[in-house]
Amino acid sequence: EPEVTQTPSHQVTQMGQEVILRCVPISNHLYFYWYRQILGQKVEFLVSFYNNEISEKSEIFDDQFSVERPDGSNFTLKIRSTKLEDSAMYFCASSDRESSYNSPLHFGNGTRLTVT
Amino acid sequence: AQKVTQAQTEISVVEKEDVTLDCVYETRDTTYYLFWYKQPPSGELVFLIRRNSFDEQNEISGRYSWNFQKSTSSFNFTITASQVVDSAVYFCALRRPRGEKLVFGTGTRLLVSP
Repeated sequence: EPEVTQTPSHQVTQMGQEVILRCVPISNHLYFYWYRQILGQKVEFLVSFYNNEISEKSEIFDDQFSVERPDGSNFTLKIRSTKLEDSAMYFCASSDRESSYNSPLHFGNGTRLTVT
Repeated sequence: AQKVTQAQTEISVVEKEDVTLDCVYETRDTTYYLFWYKQPPSGELVFLIRRNSFDEQNEISGRYSWNFQKSTSSFNFTITASQVVDSAVYFCALRRPRGEKLVFGTGTRLLVSP
């Protein structure tokens, strides 16, 4: 069964450094998402991306964050200057929206970002 | 605003017991979409089920069943004859029409002991 792939599985970085989290969505999917989960807390929406542009973003997704689909397969999340509070598990997801808005999101295994 | 409440933070059962996970949601939309996801200890989020607001037929799939009650804004999930492998955090989520984001509840941690 096709799956969403995320790399790396764990990223450790120093405060103020830039990080890029990478994702390969399911190949025929058109809608891409980033979510994050601070340890022990709920899963929070960051951003959705369709047709090479952001379609919705949350208040968490400020100017420090950006997303890109640099080629036909990868979908990246960049954090320009990491803060301690950016430490979390970051999930990439994709959906095909074939059945309108009830299409489930398929999530990757996540990247655990630790900012020291 | 949309909101999902999972009042049960943690449930502990012994294997083979039935367990129901509660989910109550708030939305002003008349059409919306509900989902359950499972997060096992390994951390990934696994899709379990979706339900449209206009489809009130409840469903059974193996050991899993779902009870959607629009009148009480609830979308509860039952595991029959629980197994140790069912131990995970279970998230209920809501999505509005023409909206992108899933709004997740805080999750219910299910511990199934042998």
